Amino acid sequence: DGGITQSPKYLFRKEGQNVTLSCEQNLNHDAMYWYRQDPGQGLRLIYYSQIVNDFQKGDIAEGYSVSREKKESFPLTVTSAQKNPTAFYLCASSGTTKETQYFGPGTRLLVL
Amino acid sequence: GQSLEQPSEVTAVEGAIVQINCTYQTSGFYGLSWYQQHDGGAPTFLSYNALDGLEETGRFSSFLSRSDSYGYLLLQELQMKDSASYFCAVMSSSASKIIFGSGTRLSIRP
Repeated sequence: DGGITQSPKYLFRKEGQNVTLSCEQNLNHDAMYWYRQDPGQGLRLIYYSQIVNDFQKGDIAEGYSVSREKKESFPLTVTSAQKNPTAFYLCASSGTTKETQYFGPGTRLLVL
Repeated sequence: GQSLEQPSEVTAVEGAIVQINCTYQTSGFYGLSWYQQHDGGAPTFLSYNALDGLEETGRFSSFLSRSDSYGYLLLQELQMKDSASYFCAVMSSSASKIIFGSGTRLSIRP
């Protein structure tokens, strides 16, 4: 089955720690995206990538980093510089029709 | 800049019809998308309108008026499982990413 997987489902971060969220897709999509969602809020774009080895900052990139070494993978690192990382993180991808985005199941990040 | 406005909450009765409106401001318009998100879940794509008019997919329909910068999502024969948040979205002027509205939480009463 084609789709997007994210792992882990829940992630706990200690103060001062960097953590990495995984996102993998087998839809052969060029574009991939990372969003942050806080309770009762909409989706805010963190980073996006339109092609391998290229990515751009979204609206709230500070305290986050990404890489796009393979078409299938777009991991997100939440660094210690992100002082309020507790949120629901969603990864998405899109093909030729960018208006149609396919989302992974999400990762909930909590701070210990 | 680009912005979208939609009501924060809508309440309806099971079996009824409900309309969720979305107005947008954008410097370059390609089309209007709608997504559904259940509590604790990921958004799923519902529909996309690039041209004026009504698009129907089962119980859900989506409408666009480009001249009015306005669209809506119409849900018919409401079921309890339709209780969710609904987001409208437009493509950015650079056509590289989509901008989401803040979402409308639909609550359905028996």
